[in-house]
Amino acid sequence: AQSVSQHNHHVILSEAASLELGCNYSYGGTVNLFWYVQYPGQHLQLLLKYFSGDPLVKGIKGFEAEFIKSKFSFNLRKPSVQWSDTAEYFCAVSSGTYKYIFGTGTRLKVLA
Amino acid sequence: DGGITQSPKYLFRKEGQNVTLSCEQNLNHDAMYWYRQDPGQGLRLIYYSQIVNDFQKGDIAEGYSVSREKKESFPLTVTSAQKNPTAFYLCASSIVGNSNYGYTFGSGTRLTVV
Repeated sequence: AQSVSQHNHHVILSEAASLELGCNYSYGGTVNLFWYVQYPGQHLQLLLKYFSGDPLVKGIKGFEAEFIKSKFSFNLRKPSVQWSDTAEYFCAVSSGTYKYIFGTGTRLKVLA
Repeated sequence: DGGITQSPKYLFRKEGQNVTLSCEQNLNHDAMYWYRQDPGQGLRLIYYSQIVNDFQKGDIAEGYSVSREKKESFPLTVTSAQKNPTAFYLCASSIVGNSNYGYTFGSGTRLTVV
């Protein structure tokens, strides 16, 4: 069965620090990969997605993610975080169907 | 503006009661989904529907029921058989046949059993 692992459950950073959130999945075939963000009190929003082509994907608000097929990973990065990035981040995988498997989420707190 | 509307935002239920959570979308999406979000467990799929009058169980369907009589609407009923219903419930929709597109989520309903 497919699964998605997010190893960091809580991350605390100071403003301007660099961010990397891990996401690993278990599925041997073609996958579509997503990062969603949930800001406090708001609904889930798509941050970025990968389905083919360049494995380095750029999303909104300066976020990017790199798909490394050999490592079954799709880590989320941002060079310099802001207080407004405080949110919960979810990695999701689809194997080509429209049914997604979500990770358990990472709560990011950025200190001003 | 197109989007998904979930209501109510907060819902309180007494033990032994059934409650129905509403989800309406005006995006003309064929597929709709119900997820349950619990702290530390991420989003778990309850039910999903690809077309009107058809739906499938997700990973944690026990104690829940759904209907899909209209394309725009996918209500979720939390029955008294659901042993731990207190949670945050999210409805989503997507285009069928294009998993690259991503989901659009509603703002959620927080259900509390009192």
